This record gives sequence, structure tokens and C-alpha cells, in this order.
Amino acid sequence: GAGVSQSPSNKVTEKGKDVELRCDPISGHTALYWYRQRLGQGLEFLIYFQGNSAPDKSGLPSDRFSAERTGESVSTLTIQRTQQEDSAVYLCASSLKASSTDTQYFGPGTRLTVL
Amino acid sequence: LAKTTQPISMDSYEGQEVNITCSHNNIATNDYITWYQQFPSQGPRFIIQGYKTKVTNEVASLFIPADRKSSTLSLPRVSLSDTAVYYCLVGATGTGRRALTFGSGTRLQVQP
Repeated sequence: GAGVSQSPSNKVTEKGKDVELRCDPISGHTALYWYRQRLGQGLEFLIYFQGNSAPDKSGLPSDRFSAERTGESVSTLTIQRTQQEDSAVYLCASSLKASSTDTQYFGPGTRLTVL
Repeated sequence: LAKTTQPISMDSYEGQEVNITCSHNNIATNDYITWYQQFPSQGPRFIIQGYKTKVTNEVASLFIPADRKSSTLSLPRVSLSDTAVYYCLVGATGTGRRALTFGSGTRLQVQP
């Protein structure tokens, strides 16, 4: 079936605006992950979902960041009052279960630029 | 959560074997070791996973010593297309548990 998809692929916004990033996981995958990757850097974990609940939100950098998942499917990552340091590629991944033996399948990412 | 340490970068030439070692001194009993590869402008993709001893697939081999405090990803006869960042992950995820985390990875540059 289809892989993980993310939208938009690119987003340019002005400082202070809110943005919503969307992730459509592989059908049937119960676990979903959000990561942030700044230019030339490694992946920074933000949050993961098991079903619709988020057991681990420890990576969210501030209260401006929030995420939700509905129907054990689509997830949205919302960044309020964006700052220039929020500029990065936001990657979403899904796996069959939230288990260390389950492969994470990544989407192409959303490149966010905050002017 | 097991912390991993790997070299920031490595250089190699086409046709050589490349070994990237990852240290994970505080690995837990139920932790698995997983390696991912990331090409520029793409999300990471799974390469190989193991628990102990040796695992081999069509892409790579993974060597894990008995104490499991380190692991080595071996890429046989690399080509230019193996130029990428390689991430070592260690952990066990489940309901209520910490997610696996990616570090900074090892940037492999293969020269002709």
C-alpha cells in the first residue's frame, strides 16, 4: 500500500503565525512519531502516539507545540506563534506497533521556513 | 534510556568495506539495536536490526559482541550511493515507555 505521506511538503510562514502539519501514516500502523530535523543536524524526537494517545510528549520543545491523532490514523502537529528557530524539516514516521522491533517508516517531511 | 555514541563522520572509497561502530554502554536487557540510513532530503529508512551476535541481510551486516555494549554496522564494498548519514538506535518502546531516539548519526562520504 501507500507509504507515509505528509502535507504540505513546504510551508513558508511569517513569525508569529500558527501552522498545522499533517501526517497520514501507513494504514494499520498503530504507532506514529514526529521528529524535527534542523539543517545538517540529526533527528530530534518530538512526540509519539500509540493509537490516539501520546505516552511520550517529552520531546516537545515548548508549549507552543502540540499534536493530536484521531481515528488511529491522521496526526497533526501544530506550532503556535512560530519563531524563526522553528524552521526545520518535520518528519513523521509510523510503525505497526510502538515496539523496538518494529521498523519506522518515514514520510518525505514538511520543510517549514519561518521568516 | 540507552545513550548511543557514534563517530560524527567517516570517509571511504568505492569498493571498500566500511565499519561504523556505535557505543551503548547502558543498554538494557530487552533493548534491540537498530540502524537507519538517511539520504539528503529524504526521511531515514531501516537498514538492519539485531539483538545479539551477528545479523546479515542483503544490505549490511550487524555485529554485536556478547556484552552488547557496542555494535558495528558493516557495509561491504561501498559505492557512491552509500553516501548518507547512518543512525544507531537502541531502546525498547511500548505503551507508556520512552520512544526510540535518533542521535546525530555518522555521516559517511564515499569517494570515487
